[in-house]
Amino acid sequence: TQLLEQSPQFLSIQEGENLTVYCNSSSVFSSLQWYRQEPGEGPVLLVTVVTGGEVKKLKRLTFQFGDARKDSSLHITAAQPGDTGLYLCAGAKWPHKLSFGAGTTVTVRA
Amino acid sequence: DTAVSQTPKYLVTQMGNDKSIKCEQNLGHDTMYWYKQDSKKFLKIMFSYNNKELIINETVPNRFSPKSPDKAHLNLHINSLELGDSAVYFCASSQDPQVNTEAFFGQGTRLTVV
Repeated sequence: TQLLEQSPQFLSIQEGENLTVYCNSSSVFSSLQWYRQEPGEGPVLLVTVVTGGEVKKLKRLTFQFGDARKDSSLHITAAQPGDTGLYLCAGAKWPHKLSFGAGTTVTVRA
Repeated sequence: DTAVSQTPKYLVTQMGNDKSIKCEQNLGHDTMYWYKQDSKKFLKIMFSYNNKELIINETVPNRFSPKSPDKAHLNLHINSLELGDSAVYFCASSQDPQVNTEAFFGQGTRLTVV
């Protein structure tokens, strides 16, 4: 069983549309991280959220950490083909454990 | 300079063989990890080392033996390879003891057991 459930598993949208990816768990994490992985590469960190209720913005990407620190969402506004990739959420727990969700494959069509 | 480098990038081998994957990080991090990514892209932690000491072993078969000669290196040796071991293996590192800091990943090693 996975500690973190991501939904949807696949998302295909037209350029300019908005999208939201969800990451849910029954566990509490000290922080939640979002990564993006391109084919043939390792995941690269987008953001870390630490405080319950925290909202972080990175240009067109908005990340939210749930009040209870168990879930998170990633919202992309006006998606572009360059946003295509595998988006992974990861929950951090002591000691030194980063557990990943199954990922959401996002395809943005031009 | 590559922050986390692992070799080889591709590895094709027959069942029953023994193989090793090497990983080195030049970030000065204290914590290193091995992850396995299956065909469905699920990234599962295998091992975590902190300052050369094993911290996490996620019920990985004992055919998998990590070795950390120093805190900049974490190698993975696999004995008696099985078909189900085929996957992409990622090495990663992060600053210790801050669990909330970023994990830096290598480019992965695609292992194919035939």
